[in-house]
Amino acid sequence: DIQMTQSPSTLSTYVGDRVIITCRASQSISGWLAWYQQKPGKAPRLLIYKASSLQSGVPSRFSGSESGTEFTLTITSLQPDDFATYYCQQYNNHPWTFGQGTKVEIK
Amino acid sequence: QEQLVESGGGLVKPGESLRLSCAASGFTFSDYYISWIRQAPGKGLELISYMSITSGYTNYADSMKGRFIVSRDNAKNQLYLQMNSLRAEDTAVYYCARGARALTSVGVFEIWGQGTMVTVSS
Repeated sequence: DIQMTQSPSTLSTYVGDRVIITCRASQSISGWLAWYQQKPGKAPRLLIYKASSLQSGVPSRFSGSESGTEFTLTITSLQPDDFATYYCQQYNNHPWTFGQGTKVEIK
Repeated sequence: QEQLVESGGGLVKPGESLRLSCAASGFTFSDYYISWIRQAPGKGLELISYMSITSGYTNYADSMKGRFIVSRDNAKNQLYLQMNSLRAEDTAVYYCARGARALTSVGVFEIWGQGTMVTVSS
C-alpha cells in the first residue's frame, strides 16, 4: 500500500496566518491527490483534487501544489471557520490511502 | 440535493454481524462509484471498499477482505455493507462516499454521508 505522511500533525496558529500542510507519498502517485477538511463530529469535505484543482464552492484561500511525491495544502489568511483537521488522500493505486491528518488549532 | 444517508449502526458484541445501508438521492445512483470508509474514534480515515454501481465491480482493502461484503439494490438506490465476525477494532464511524464522475477520479470523494457509528463491545 502507498503510505501518505502528513506534517505537521498539529499546527497552532492565528486567524489571518498563512498555513502550509505537507503530504508525502511513499511512491509516485502521478498527482492523483485530494485534500479534505474535517470538523469534529462531521464528515470530511472535499477541498482539492488532482493535487491543485479547487472543488466547486471551496474558498480561493485554499490551494494545492505538487513537487514529485510531495504535496502541499496552503491556506492563505486563515479564517475562524478553517480550524479543523485536514487529510490528504491518494487515489492513484488501490487501496486508496489517507494521511494521518493535520489538526489546525487556535493558538 | 445530492445526498447520501447511512443507517444501521449500533452496539454489537464481538463475533456478531451487522448490515449498514447507504441511501442515495438527488443523483443517478448507477452512474457512480460509491465507497465505504471508516474512522475509528480519534483516528484517521480508512478505505474499506468501493463499488461501481453500474457494473457491480467491487474492490476491498486487503485487511477488509473476507469479513466485509458490499452489495447494492439499484431499484432502491441503496448500497449495503455486511460486516461479519465483528471485533473491537471494528469500532468506528462508517461513512459511504460518492466518487467523482470521471473514471480517473472515482477515488475523489465528492459527497459523504453523515456517518453511522458501530460499536463492538461485550
